[in-house]
Amino acid sequence: AQSVTQLGSHVSVSEGALVLLRCNYSSSVPPYLFWYVQYPNQGLQLLLKYTSAATLVKGINGFEAEFKKSETSFHLTKPSAHMSDAAEYFCAVSSMSGSEKLVFGKGTKLTVNP
Amino acid sequence: GAGVSQSPRYKVAKRGQDVALRCDPISGHVSLFWYQQALGQGPEFLTYFQNEAQLDKSGLPSDRFFAERPEGSVSTLKIQRTQQEDSAVYLCASSVQGVANEKLFFGSGTQLSVL
Repeated sequence: AQSVTQLGSHVSVSEGALVLLRCNYSSSVPPYLFWYVQYPNQGLQLLLKYTSAATLVKGINGFEAEFKKSETSFHLTKPSAHMSDAAEYFCAVSSMSGSEKLVFGKGTKLTVNP
Repeated sequence: GAGVSQSPRYKVAKRGQDVALRCDPISGHVSLFWYQQALGQGPEFLTYFQNEAQLDKSGLPSDRFFAERPEGSVSTLKIQRTQQEDSAVYLCASSVQGVANEKLFFGSGTQLSVL
């Protein structure tokens, strides 16, 4: 079975500060890993995904994440937060064994203070 | 259309009523997924279609939940005899092929409130 743990249901940063959102996964087979963002009253949008091609993955809006197998982690970072980054972020895992469904974490709500 | 469309946006039902939630995926997308998102939680998988075939319904919480996609495009999620614990946002997503590393395109969801 696969699972995702997101540490911190709420994270607050100042504009211009580093954003770090934590995600740890559990999977018995090599995983695919994703970060999705949900803005208020909008559907989830893909930020980036890890599919084994490279451990450091760059996504949209300046976000990136690094796959660390030894730590079973896939933390999301952005060097400098912008007010428009305020949203809820979800980490998700699927399996390279062929299961199509995504297993999501509970989400982290990011607040950016001026 | 340009994206995944879900209707209605909001639905209020009295306990015991039947409801039907509609999803229009992106044209040409083979795969369609339904997720349930309770307040303060991440989306949880309900069921998955590839064209008209329902390949996985392991996430449906009870036999009161039923989903169909008869012509391989529009899908309907039906909940019979709604209960208060069914209150949640129901998300629909589609993808081009439905392989495990593929991007999902999500709709804005239907927020169901059961009174």
